[in-house]
Amino acid sequence: DAGVIQSPRHEVTEMGQEVTLRCKPISGHDYLFWYRQTMMRGLELLIYFNNNVPIDDSGMPEDRFSAKMPNASFSTLKIQPSEPRDSAVYFCASSLTHNEKLFFGSGTQLSVL
Amino acid sequence: AQKVTQAQTEISVVEKEDVTLDCVYETRDTTYYLFWYKQPPSGELVFLIRRNSFDEQNEISGRYSWNFQKSTSSFNFTITASQVVDSAVYFCALSELDNFNKFYFGSGTKLNVKP
Repeated sequence: DAGVIQSPRHEVTEMGQEVTLRCKPISGHDYLFWYRQTMMRGLELLIYFNNNVPIDDSGMPEDRFSAKMPNASFSTLKIQPSEPRDSAVYFCASSLTHNEKLFFGSGTQLSVL
Repeated sequence: AQKVTQAQTEISVVEKEDVTLDCVYETRDTTYYLFWYKQPPSGELVFLIRRNSFDEQNEISGRYSWNFQKSTSSFNFTITASQVVDSAVYFCALSELDNFNKFYFGSGTKLNVKP
């Protein structure tokens, strides 16, 4: 059974460029989460969806960040324009239902030069 | 203020030693959940345990055990007879009644198990 799939695994881009991170949750999971991990701030929740609807985006740093979930099997996190301080590991996670354990993807290591 | 504190940044032990990872949490809710996740060098976080606030019984799973004490707001994790494969970063997390889907993660404890 496939887990949460994220792409790309690594992304290197230049400041000002648009970056799109992708996630495929586990089939049948109702909740999808985007987290960011940095040394300074640890793991931060950016946004989460329930049944493809954004529920809480209070963790999204600023307007440069946007996330979508057009269907139950796909979500994107977009940064436009990217800045060096966005460099981090971005994790996608999904859960079967409310307050269940999270299944994490392998993460996307983003470096903005 | 930090809702979840993992004071131990990094711990090194020799294989077969027992090791305890500390987790202290802060919440005003009477209903909440506590979690432990493991992040091996490969990077993916792996769920270990979930405990609700009404269940203070200690849990044992193989070499892993968890000690939940509401009186001290702690949820400590012990690995008995540690192995090199236990080397990872371990995160404690809290979710509260007002939003069970919002997890507050501690800063993590890096465990190095040397052969």
